[in-house]
Amino acid sequence: AQSVTQPDIHITVSEGASLELRCNYSYGATPYLFWYVQSPGQGLQLLLKYFSGDTLVQGIKGFEAEFKRSQSSFNLRKPSVHWSDAAEYFCAVGPTSFYGGSQGNLIFGKGTKLSVKP
Amino acid sequence: EAGVAQSPRYKIIEKRQSVAFWCNPISGHATLYWYQQILGQGPKLLIQFQNNGVVDDSQLPKDRFSAERLKGVDSTLKIQPAKLEDSAVYLCASSLTSRLSDTQYFGPGTRLTVL
Repeated sequence: AQSVTQPDIHITVSEGASLELRCNYSYGATPYLFWYVQSPGQGLQLLLKYFSGDTLVQGIKGFEAEFKRSQSSFNLRKPSVHWSDAAEYFCAVGPTSFYGGSQGNLIFGKGTKLSVKP
Repeated sequence: EAGVAQSPRYKIIEKRQSVAFWCNPISGHATLYWYQQILGQGPKLLIQFQNNGVVDDSQLPKDRFSAERLKGVDSTLKIQPAKLEDSAVYLCASSLTSRLSDTQYFGPGTRLTVL
């Protein structure tokens, strides 16, 4: 069965420190991969997505993620965290059929809550 | 550009009561989704519309949940009767098409508490 695992429920980092949030997926083929952020009281916002090509993808707000097929991982990184990055982060996977795939079939992980220390 | 609008933002009801949520997607977006997000979990798709037709409702508990999208624009999600386990945030999202390459835009959600 398709699944997404975010091993860390809660991470605390100091402002200015680097960040890496882990995501592992279980899927029959190369999936489409996404990272979303959810701030308190707000809906999810797409940070970045990977479909094919360069395995290092750049997103908004200075985030990047690297797809590693051999490890079935899509970890999210940021070199220097800002206090405003405190939020919950969700990794998601979707089917690979560009024409038949439905974005609604996204499977989300349980999320990692990020706290930032001043 | 206006985002996805949802109302109400919060709702508290007692079990066995009914409740309805409303969603107004981004103008021109053909695809609309309703997700259920239980505390401590990621969103789970309940139903997906393409214009005013249902594309996927395989995870919608049809004995108590119903949804419609009149005229392919606004949508309502109804629960009747509610159970304690329905306490969650209900998120509406829309995208230009159903292609994975089109970004899904999420509304702020409706937080439902069932007592």
